[in-house]
Amino acid sequence: AQKVTQAQTEISVVEKEDVTLDCVYETRDTTYYLFWYKQPPSGELVFLIRRNSFDEQNEISGRYSWNFQKSTSSFNFTITASQVVDSAVYFCALTPAGRGSQGNLIFGKGTKLSVKP
Amino acid sequence: DTEVTQTPKHLVMGMTNKKSLKCEQHMGHRAMYWYKQKAKKPPELMFVYSYEKLSINESVPSRFSPECPNSSLLNLHLHALQPEDSALYLCASSPGQDWVEAFFGQGTRLTVV
Repeated sequence: AQKVTQAQTEISVVEKEDVTLDCVYETRDTTYYLFWYKQPPSGELVFLIRRNSFDEQNEISGRYSWNFQKSTSSFNFTITASQVVDSAVYFCALTPAGRGSQGNLIFGKGTKLSVKP
Repeated sequence: DTEVTQTPKHLVMGMTNKKSLKCEQHMGHRAMYWYKQKAKKPPELMFVYSYEKLSINESVPSRFSPECPNSSLLNLHLHALQPEDSALYLCASSPGQDWVEAFFGQGTRLTVV
């Protein structure tokens, strides 16, 4: 069975604080993709990152960084020096890659991040 | 152009109405998807079209009828909906069905009265 768990339902921080959003996944596939999406109040799901299961290198993009650890089946997302514009619901998602893909993106329940000025 | 455009943005319809949601992309993507998202829940897959053919129907009631007239356009025809069908309907597209990259539209907020 495939499953994505985001244990943090809501997080509230003050601007400029660092915040880490946790994501733990379960899959029997050997090849898969992991994603993070941001959903602001407007509703659109904004793609942030895709990570292939064979690539465990951490990634940094500006204030965003991702820590992928296959040993613990985790793909955590850190925002450094948070800003009010980071306020949104963040979804972690999983899909099998290649021939195993059915086109279905399996989402976690999301973490609502509120950044207060 | 990396946009997926959905119209209308908001829709209120009665339970006896027939309406359609439209989704358009011009990125040359060959896979398109409909997702349904209830408030405070993650998106749930409804349908997948791959190369203009329906490849996945996640046991969606027949009052929802998808259509893919061409590779750029995806419609969702609605008929005899129930109030519990009120939700955000999201369209997405990707180059193929393996989610190498995927883009979502802003969604249509549907209210059934």
